[in-house]
Amino acid sequence: AQSVAQPEDQVNVAEGNPLTVKCTYSVSGNPYLFWYVQYPNRGLQFLLKYITGDNLVKGSYGFEAEFNKSQTSFHLKKPSALVSDSALYFCAVRDQNRDDKIIFGKGTRLHILP
Amino acid sequence: EAGVAQSPRYKIIEKRQSVAFWCNPISGHATLYWYQQILGQGPKLLIQFQNNGVVDDSQLPKDRFSAERLKGVDSTLKIQPAKLEDSAVYLCASRAPPLGVTEAFFGQGTRLTVV
Repeated sequence: AQSVAQPEDQVNVAEGNPLTVKCTYSVSGNPYLFWYVQYPNRGLQFLLKYITGDNLVKGSYGFEAEFNKSQTSFHLKKPSALVSDSALYFCAVRDQNRDDKIIFGKGTRLHILP
Repeated sequence: EAGVAQSPRYKIIEKRQSVAFWCNPISGHATLYWYQQILGQGPKLLIQFQNNGVVDDSQLPKDRFSAERLKGVDSTLKIQPAKLEDSAVYLCASRAPPLGVTEAFFGQGTRLTVV
């Protein structure tokens, strides 16, 4: 069965510093991987996705993520954090060899300190 | 293009009452999902439609929850009767036809409080 783990409930980063939000996954086949962000009282907004090819994918608002097949990880990164990046971040996975089911992790709250 | 529309935004009901949520996906999106997001947790898939057929409803509590997508467009999710533990945000999402790999787009959700 597909699963996603986000080991950190909260990540605190000073403004201007690089940030990393961790995600590991488990699927039986090859994964499609996604990151979403959620602001208070809002739905989930798509940030970026990995399908195949280059292991470093770039997305919205300066975010990027690195796919590592051997470690089954897909960590979200940004070189320089902004206070406005403070939000709830979700990693999600879909198994290429199965139907369209998309499974989400429990989320990581990112808090950028001014 | 217009996004995924959900209504109502908020709903407060007493336990044992019934409630229904409505979702209008992005035009042309064949796949529609309903997720339940309990406070402090990630979205949990309740049901997935492909056009008007159910692809996966393994996590749907079928004794009290039901969902339909009669014409392959709009969808409704119903809870009858509601329990206190049903308090959550109910998110609807849609995705384009399965050619290629596309992401799901989410509505703003319906926040349900059962008292």
